[in-house]
Amino acid sequence: AQRVTQPEKLLSVFKGAPVELKCNYSYSGSPELFWYVQYSRQRLQLLLRHISRESIKGFTADLNKGETSFHLKKPFAQEEDSAMYYCCHARTGGFKTIFGAGTRLFVKA
Amino acid sequence: GAGVSQTPSNKVTEKGKYVELRCDPISGHTALYWYRQSLGQGPEFLIYFQGTGAADDSGLPNDRFFAVRPEGSVSTLKIQRTERGDSAVYLCASSLGVLGTEAFFGQGTRLTVV
Repeated sequence: AQRVTQPEKLLSVFKGAPVELKCNYSYSGSPELFWYVQYSRQRLQLLLRHISRESIKGFTADLNKGETSFHLKKPFAQEEDSAMYYCCHARTGGFKTIFGAGTRLFVKA
Repeated sequence: GAGVSQTPSNKVTEKGKYVELRCDPISGHTALYWYRQSLGQGPEFLIYFQGTGAADDSGLPNDRFFAVRPEGSVSTLKIQRTERGDSAVYLCASSLGVLGTEAFFGQGTRLTVV
């Protein structure tokens, strides 16, 4: 079964510190992986997807098939990064998207 | 242009009643998704439409839940004989229907069953 695990419910870092939000998935095939973000009082929105290999707002995420991980990283956290982050996964060729429970990132001044 | 719109934004209903939740997707988006989000959890997949047809309804928890999209645009999620455990935020999203493309979410409908 598809499953996405985000082990940290809350991650608190100081401004300027590196941040890593962990995500592990369970799927034996080639997955499609995404990170969505929800800022306070806003809608859930796409942050980045692994097929694009892009950096958005300084965030990057690398798919590690051996470890079945897709951790989200940013070298220098900013206060405006404080939000709820969700990792999600879809099977190759599928639209059914499974979300993790989310990690709340709090960046302190 | 307008984003995904969900109505009502809040709904309080009594246990056992029937409710309908509406989703207006972004114009031109062929794919439409419904999710349920309980407190402290991520969105839980319910059903996915491609056009008018439900391409994957494997997430619907039981036969009290049903969704339609008769003209391939607006969708309605229908819940019969509501139970207190149905209380959650119901999210709708739409996309262009091409694999890997971004899904745009609505603001959600908060359903409370008392």
